[in-house]
Amino acid sequence: NAGVMQNPRHLVRRRGQEARLRCSPMKGHSHVYWYRQLPEEGLKFMVYLQKENIIDESGMPKERFSAEFPKEGPSILRIQQVVRGDSAAYFCASSPMGTGIYEQYFGPGTRLTVT
Amino acid sequence: DAKTTQPNSMESNEEEPVHLPCNHSTISGTDYIHWYRQLPSQGPEYVIHGLTSNVNNRMASLAIAEDRKSSTLILHRATLRDAAVYYCILAGNNRKLIWGLGTSLAVNP
Repeated sequence: NAGVMQNPRHLVRRRGQEARLRCSPMKGHSHVYWYRQLPEEGLKFMVYLQKENIIDESGMPKERFSAEFPKEGPSILRIQQVVRGDSAAYFCASSPMGTGIYEQYFGPGTRLTVT
Repeated sequence: DAKTTQPNSMESNEEEPVHLPCNHSTISGTDYIHWYRQLPSQGPEYVIHGLTSNVNNRMASLAIAEDRKSSTLILHRATLRDAAVYYCILAGNNRKLIWGLGTSLAVNP
């Protein structure tokens, strides 16, 4: 059973360009979470999605950032008009459907560098 | 969201037990205590979680105080591969994990 997959692993963008980060959850998992980690800091929650629905986006910046988890295909975190402050590691996690507390399984992350 | 307090860093010797403390005095009755760890340049890895009773799994043990205001992650025999940042996190039913700075564990050979 493959783990959570993220691509690309490293992404370099110039200021003003768009960044698209992809996340394929573990097989059978229908919950996806995105987190951002700045250097020397802990992870910051961004958004929690289920298939075709955004459940909690309280950690998403109000502008330039969006996320989706379509019925088919990976979850996408999209950052428009990137700025240097967007440089960070972005981690995706997944967990299975159902009630109760489930552990989250993390991907290896995408390291975004804005030049 | 309830907060946790952990020491910034700890050190251990290989093959010795390690006790990683966490204070969470504002924990609510429905908060679970989760522990994750993050090895250098990798994504976080789930370690263990519990609600009230002590928990054991193949990676570690979790000891929870009777009043639930603190907990301790126990690695029974530290190895060099256990060197990582360990995060203690409180999580309710909203599934949202709120991360602190964690404890950076160094393991000496």
